[in-house]
Amino acid sequence: AQSVTQPDIHITVSEGASLELRCNYSYGATPYLFWYVQSPGQGLQLLLKYFSGDTLVQGIKGFEAEFKRSQSSFNLRKPSVHWSDAAEYFCAVGRSNFGNEKLTFGTGTRLTIIP
Amino acid sequence: NAGVMQNPRHLVRRRGQEARLRCSPMKGHSHVYWYRQLPEEGLKFMVYLQKENIIDESGMPKERFSAEFPKEGPSILRIQQVVRGDSAAYFCASSPPGSANTGELFFGEGSRLTVL
Repeated sequence: AQSVTQPDIHITVSEGASLELRCNYSYGATPYLFWYVQSPGQGLQLLLKYFSGDTLVQGIKGFEAEFKRSQSSFNLRKPSVHWSDAAEYFCAVGRSNFGNEKLTFGTGTRLTIIP
Repeated sequence: NAGVMQNPRHLVRRRGQEARLRCSPMKGHSHVYWYRQLPEEGLKFMVYLQKENIIDESGMPKERFSAEFPKEGPSILRIQQVVRGDSAAYFCASSPPGSANTGELFFGEGSRLTVL
């Protein structure tokens, strides 16, 4: 069965500092990997996704993530955070074939930005 | 192009009542997914439907919960005889069929159920 681990429940960074959110997955085949962001009281917005090809993927809002198969990781990074980045971030893994996009989510990392 | 629409956004029920949550997928999307988010937890898959068919209900509780996606109209998640433990945010997501599918799910803003 597939699973996702986000080891950091809560992270606090200063505005303008760099950010890395960790994500480790367990999956028996080639995974499809996603990062979603959820603002308070809102739904989820896709930041970026990895299906195949270049292991460094670029997303919206200046985010990027790197797929490392040897480490079963898909960490999210941003070189300089903005106060508007404060939100909950979810990593998710999906099956490597279309037809059922059922995703397994991690428990999330809450990001707080301090001035 | 309107996104995934869910209503009601907030629903309060007393124990033993029924809750009905509705989801209209994005235009052109024929696949609907329901997820539940308990407080301080991630999203848990409940059910995957296509028009008039339940494709995968492996995440649905065995009792009191049901879902449908009729030929016409929105998808409905129905919870009978609600209990306090059903209090959660219920998210609907959709995706397009066939070649238009990119593997991405598009989420609504959720329906937040509170059981008193």
